[in-house]
Amino acid sequence: GAVVSQHPSWVICKSGTSVKIECRSLDFQATTMFWYRQFPKQSLMLMATSNEGSKATYEQGVEKDKFLINHASLTLSTLTVTSAHPEDSSFYICSARDIRGEKLFFGSGTQLSVL
Amino acid sequence: RKEVEQDPGPFNVPEGATVAFNCTYSNSASQSFFWYRQDCRKEPKLLMSVYSSGNEDGRFTAQLNRASQYISLLIRDSKLSDSATYLCVVNRSGNQFYFGTGTSLTVIP
Repeated sequence: GAVVSQHPSWVICKSGTSVKIECRSLDFQATTMFWYRQFPKQSLMLMATSNEGSKATYEQGVEKDKFLINHASLTLSTLTVTSAHPEDSSFYICSARDIRGEKLFFGSGTQLSVL
Repeated sequence: RKEVEQDPGPFNVPEGATVAFNCTYSNSASQSFFWYRQDCRKEPKLLMSVYSSGNEDGRFTAQLNRASQYISLLIRDSKLSDSATYLCVVNRSGNQFYFGTGTSLTVIP
């Protein structure tokens, strides 16, 4: 299946700092990528849909200015958590549709811990 | 009503048992259906797509019932390594993917 790489796997940061998470499609071009957040023992929550060359589409309740998404190329989308606070601590995962657009393949996730 | 509904479990079954999960979806226009497996603190991984004709991959069988709007996953001869959370995912169209809450399975020795 298609490969999606996500980096970093773990981040520990101080409150108030910004954290950037990268999501790359390694063997296919992804015009659309998705960003999710998952709290322990809860389901994936879609945060935003990232579209190459245009603005991301955010889900209701997700702050655009806090979670900055950039999708500058067909293989890279980034999520920046700005001025992170302890309540932002979570597991963040990206995904991309495969070439035929049928299936979703996920990055390995980033565990963010804000102290 | 949620787009996708799934019994969260947990399902605790002995090794070798057969276990089945169901998932219902609300939009009859949904086009594609999938089962994913997610281990703790890991990303979901595609287990199998689900087709109307039913499909099988080793010990795993997936079925789609469009009339009743549900999909199912059957696991035969459960192994300890099958312990995970199983997510059903429904693609309505384009970028609209909807996730179930996941069903937790623990296979007991």
